[in-house]
Amino acid sequence: GQNIDQPTEMTATEGAIVQINCTYQTSGFNGLFWYQQHAGEAPTFLSYNVLDGLEEKGRFSSFLSRSKGYSYLLLKELQMKDSASYLCAPLPGGSYIPTFGRGTSLIVHP
Amino acid sequence: GAVVSQHPSRVICKSGTSVKIECRSLDFQATTMFWYRQFPKQSLMLMATSNEGSKATYEQGVEKDKFLINHASLTLSTLTVTSAHPEDSSFYICSARTGDGSPLHFGNGTRLTVT
Repeated sequence: GQNIDQPTEMTATEGAIVQINCTYQTSGFNGLFWYQQHAGEAPTFLSYNVLDGLEEKGRFSSFLSRSKGYSYLLLKELQMKDSASYLCAPLPGGSYIPTFGRGTSLIVHP
Repeated sequence: GAVVSQHPSRVICKSGTSVKIECRSLDFQATTMFWYRQFPKQSLMLMATSNEGSKATYEQGVEKDKFLINHASLTLSTLTVTSAHPEDSSFYICSARTGDGSPLHFGNGTRLTVT
């Protein structure tokens, strides 16, 4: 089966940096996605890591360690609009269908 | 690219009626689409995988006779909630991708309220 662990909620200040951690256990592994979901809206794709290391994309970066079953999403220069839920979604082997955890609700305050 | 359109965005229906939700891939062909359901403050739960030209694959615990899925073309999948009940009230989201290892692109979701 699949098991995904993320903090339920985090708060941060506008302009700061925040790191959202995710640990996972899957049957096989074909990469890991991060999605952003604003309240009442559908998720939007942020990043995809398949190899170990850091992938940087603007203010957002994502890191993966396959041996540790660990990933994190790093958000820099936080803006109020970054207040959302962030979903870690590993891609199990075989099915190629990502599994979603409950996500981390990030609250950015002034 | 990779835009998924879902309609309607919001629907209110009476208990016992049926509701159809459409999901379209606008700029790519999708042999496979995915239907998710999300209750407030809960994770996205995969309901079924919609396969073009063949029967859908339902996840354990999802009633295939209640949630009818039709994937008639490479760009359209529909989900029909039959004989809806208040407990079916939820946020239904479809998604599609361009290939096995590609990210899922989601429609805007449908907020279903059954009264």
